[in-house]
Amino acid sequence: GQSLEQPSEVTAVEGAIVQINCTYQTSGFYGLSWYQQHDGGAPTFLSYNGLDGLEETGRFSSFLSRSDSYGYLLLQELQMKDSASYFCAARNSGYSTLTFGKGTMLLVSP
Amino acid sequence: ETGVTQTPRHLVMGMTNKKSLKCEQHLGHNAMYWYKQSAKKPLELMFVYNFKEQTENNSVPSRFSPECPNSSHLFLHLHTLQPEDSALYLCASSQDPRQLSGNTIYFGEGSWLTVV
Repeated sequence: GQSLEQPSEVTAVEGAIVQINCTYQTSGFYGLSWYQQHDGGAPTFLSYNGLDGLEETGRFSSFLSRSDSYGYLLLQELQMKDSASYFCAARNSGYSTLTFGKGTMLLVSP
Repeated sequence: ETGVTQTPRHLVMGMTNKKSLKCEQHLGHNAMYWYKQSAKKPLELMFVYNFKEQTENNSVPSRFSPECPNSSHLFLHLHTLQPEDSALYLCASSQDPRQLSGNTIYFGEGSWLTVV
């Protein structure tokens, strides 16, 4: 089986940088994804790390360290619209389906 | 607009009712999924279909019955549900999950189900 741990809530102010961590325990591991979900909306894909290192997409970056079973999502130049829940998700090797963490609620204040 | 459409958006049903949730994807994907999202719990995978064949059933009670008539449509038939089944039910689709492109799954906005 798999389990992913992430903080339940993070708060920050506009313009700041915030890092949301995710640690995982899996019987097989193929990569780590991040999804964003606004209240009442659909989860939407943000990024995927199949290899160790940093992936950058605009204001968002994601990092993976397989040796540490750890990854993070970095959000820069925070905006009010970034207030949402962020989920890390791990893909098994083999016939892959995603297992999700419980999500981190990010609250951005003025 | 995610390309995955779910109906109804809200459903209230009694424990003896029979109802169905519908999902349609316009993305040309081959795989479709049902997830359950409850408060304070991770997204729970329920069923996976790839090329219309069920490839995963995550020990879901038989009161939930999926149907996938083609790669674009997915149903979740509900009967004799319990109040604890009240949750947001999310449909999703992707390319073949055995391929790297299948890493990205696209969710619908969900159907809010309340069982009374």
